[in-house]
Amino acid sequence: EVQLVESGGGVVQPGRSLRLSCTTSGFTFGDYAMSWVRQAPGKGLEWVGFIRSKAYGGTTDYAASVKGRFTISRDDSKSIAYLQMDSLKTEDTAVYYCIKEGFKDWGQGTLVTVSS
Amino acid sequence: DVVLTQSPLSLPVTLGQPASISCRSSQSLVHSDGNTYLNWFQQRPGQSPRRLIYKVSNRDSGVPDRFSGSESGTDFTLKISRVEAEDVGVYYCMQGTHWPRTFGQGTKVEIK
Repeated sequence: EVQLVESGGGVVQPGRSLRLSCTTSGFTFGDYAMSWVRQAPGKGLEWVGFIRSKAYGGTTDYAASVKGRFTISRDDSKSIAYLQMDSLKTEDTAVYYCIKEGFKDWGQGTLVTVSS
Repeated sequence: DVVLTQSPLSLPVTLGQPASISCRSSQSLVHSDGNTYLNWFQQRPGQSPRRLIYKVSNRDSGVPDRFSGSESGTDFTLKISRVEAEDVGVYYCMQGTHWPRTFGQGTKVEIK
C-alpha cells in the first residue's frame, strides 16, 4: 500500500523559512516523480512544483508564485521528498500535500501558517 | 498557462438524480505522446483529494461506475449517473499535459 506522510508544518513569521518532508513507503520511491500541491484555507488546489526521478535527471519545475523561493529535493536512499520554503509570505498559508507521480496517491497534508 | 474553467461552481442535486460538471480548457490538452492528461478529483469535507478519473475517461480502481468522464475537443465533463449522499464534496479537474500543471476552480456538490 502506497503511503505518503507530510510533516514539518507549523506557524512561521513572514520572511522566514520552513522545510516540509514527505516520507513515503509502499513503492520504489526512486522510480517516481513527486509533486507538491497546496490549498489555502477555504480555497481550491494550486500546483506548487515537481521533481523528476533521477532516471529523468531529477530536475524540477515550479509554479510562478513560488519560483525562486521554494526548492524541491529528494533523498532516494530514505524515500523522502522535501519542500524547502524560503522568504515565506502570508499568502503561502495553506495545507501542503505531496503526491506520487500520476496524482493518484496523496498524503494527508500538513498546514503551514505564515503570520506575524 | 492553461486555464481550466469549471461550471457550475455550485451544484445542488437531489439524491438519485444525475449530475454533470463541465471543465473547459483554454487550449488543447493533447500531449505530444497522443494522450490527453485530464484528471478529475473528488475532495470530501476534511479529506485529501482523491483521483476519480485519469486521461479523460479512465476510472480509478474502487471508484463507483456511476462516475464517468468524457470529452469534446477542449470541453471535458464529469458525470454522476445517480448522486448518492457520499458524493458530497468539491470536484476539481486538473491538466497534466502542459507546464505548469493547473486545476479548475472546483465545483461544490451538495444535496438539496
